[in-house]
Amino acid sequence: SQKIEQNSEALNIQEGKTATLTCNYTNYSPAYLQWYRQDPGRGPVFLLLIRENEKEKRKERLKVTFDTTLKQSLFHITASQPADSATYLCALETNTGNQFYFGTGTSLTVIP
Amino acid sequence: NAGVTQTPKFQVLKTGQSMTLQCAQDMNHEYMSWYRQDPGMGLRLIHYSVGAGITDQGEVPNGYNVSRSTTEDFPLRLLSAAPSQTSVYFCASSYYRGAGTQYFGPGTRLTVL
Repeated sequence: SQKIEQNSEALNIQEGKTATLTCNYTNYSPAYLQWYRQDPGRGPVFLLLIRENEKEKRKERLKVTFDTTLKQSLFHITASQPADSATYLCALETNTGNQFYFGTGTSLTVIP
Repeated sequence: NAGVTQTPKFQVLKTGQSMTLQCAQDMNHEYMSWYRQDPGMGLRLIHYSVGAGITDQGEVPNGYNVSRSTTEDFPLRLLSAAPSQTSVYFCASSYYRGAGTQYFGPGTRLTVL
């Protein structure tokens, strides 16, 4: 069956450290992988997109890697801040249709 | 730009009632979609549209109808509400498939008693 799995446990890190979130998928052929941030009571907000032929993408303190052999994406937030505390979602868009598939999300708390 | 707007923000229905969740975007996006978000399940696609007059089913379409008569609007209709449809509903839009940014609305929290 098709699955997208993110860190099952909530992630707590100290301010200033690097947070690393994982997204593993099975039985998908993603054309694109996206990362979103979601705050309580709000809709997700797009952060980064990486294509299947790209290994790494950066945007300010954010970095995403994509390994189609391992079927995994890693999302890094460097120099983390309490304002980075939120739930982070990964999403796949496949080659075969117009549909997006989301993981269940990882809750990140950055402790001052 | 208002972005993606959804109404209502909260709604309580009784089993068997019908209602329409409204979604509108003012960014001239071709692609629009509806998701539901349940604890531990993540966002699941209900229906989507790649342009006015074109709609298709997502992962969990049963019990829901959509139509897309204009580029701006994409309403979601619950035909006969059931307690299993208690959820938070999000509408999203993007320029087209693979364009990256999906813009999400603020959500509608629906409770079916």
